[in-house]
Amino acid sequence: EAGVAQSPRYKIIEKRQSVAFWCNPISGHATLYWYQQILGQGPKLLIQFQNNGVVDDSQLPKDRFSAERLKGVDSTLKIQPAKLEDSAVYLCASKGSSYEQYFGPGTRLTVT
Amino acid sequence: SQKIEQNSEALNIQEGKTATLTCNYTNYSPAYLQWYRQDPGRGPVFLLLIRENEKEKRKERLKVTFDTTLKQSLFHITASQPADSATYLCALETGNAGKSTFGDGTTLTVKP
Repeated sequence: EAGVAQSPRYKIIEKRQSVAFWCNPISGHATLYWYQQILGQGPKLLIQFQNNGVVDDSQLPKDRFSAERLKGVDSTLKIQPAKLEDSAVYLCASKGSSYEQYFGPGTRLTVT
Repeated sequence: SQKIEQNSEALNIQEGKTATLTCNYTNYSPAYLQWYRQDPGRGPVFLLLIRENEKEKRKERLKVTFDTTLKQSLFHITASQPADSATYLCALETGNAGKSTFGDGTTLTVKP
């Protein structure tokens, strides 16, 4: 089966600009996660969707980050405006009926 | 506060030896614990899951133990190989919503 797809793979922007990331989960997976991974740290959950509903967004900085999952399939994560501390890898993962999460390759964001 | 700690950031061992990685947690009541492998520039890949009522799980050269009294999981790789060199992450999942919290990982280097 095809894995989790993410784009772009790399993005460089200046602070105060906006950026959007896209994720296409594994077909049929109801649960979708967005994580932020800062260099040297583990993935930190930003938001979790179950189909197109939000299950957990307690660690999402809602003043600048937003995410949506239209029709319970693809998802986009947006940052507006970006700050230097947003430089990180943004990982998307999906989960089906089993317990394991399947991760995409991530988008490496550099904010200058 | 809730905390997950994985033993020393880096672990170096000789090929053929057993690598033992530790995951300690506080103020969690996890339903289950997972171990993932992450290679540079890639997303984490699921390895093993162990439930709160299980003591030990094995898969080929991998073994995971889970002690809910000590609040600790040990991850063993026997007959280690240079190809096992990677960062290993533990993740706790709690509650019905399946929210995952990751540790910061241990980077294992197996020297030939």
